[in-house]
Amino acid sequence: AQSVAQPEDQVNVAEGNPLTVKCTYSVSGNPYLFWYVQYPNRGLQFLLKYITGDNLVKGSYGFEAEFNKSQTSFHLKKPSALVSDSALYFCAVREGSDKIIFGKGTRLHILP
Amino acid sequence: DSGVTQTPKHLITATGQRVTLRCSPRSGDLSVYWYQQSLDQGLQFLIQYYNGEERAKGNILERFSAQQFPDLHSELNLSSLELGDSALYFCASSVVGTTGAHEQYFGPGTRLTVT
Repeated sequence: AQSVAQPEDQVNVAEGNPLTVKCTYSVSGNPYLFWYVQYPNRGLQFLLKYITGDNLVKGSYGFEAEFNKSQTSFHLKKPSALVSDSALYFCAVREGSDKIIFGKGTRLHILP
Repeated sequence: DSGVTQTPKHLITATGQRVTLRCSPRSGDLSVYWYQQSLDQGLQFLIQYYNGEERAKGNILERFSAQQFPDLHSELNLSSLELGDSALYFCASSVVGTTGAHEQYFGPGTRLTVT
């Protein structure tokens, strides 16, 4: 069965520093991988996805993610964090047309 | 604004009651998904409809049911409500449901409080 893990409940980063939010997954075939962000009292917003091809995927708001098949990881990154990046981030995995599985979420705090 | 609308925004009801949550997908999207978000369970996928038919089922209780109508809007019915059903319920839509490659667009959610 497919699964996804976000090992950190919370990540704290100083403004201007690079940030990484970790995600690992488990599927039996080829995964579709997604990152979403949730701001307070809002629905989730799509950031980026990996389907196939280039392992480095660029998304909204300057975020990018690196797909690593050997490590079954899909970490979210940004070169320079902004205070406005503070939010709850979800990694999600889907195998084919099967149901999508979301991670438990990582709360990102950017410290001014 | 994602283009997905959900009503009502807030709902307060008593245990044992039944409620209906409504979702209108983005224009052109055929798939609708329902999720439950609670503090202890995180974001749980409940069910997906594609063009009026059930496509995938997640952790949806038997007391819960959903449908998608010919105009593609969807309703989630929650019955015999329990305190533990208090949560945020999100609807999302995507272009197609035959592959998993398409991202989903989420509505603002309905906050259900069962007292």
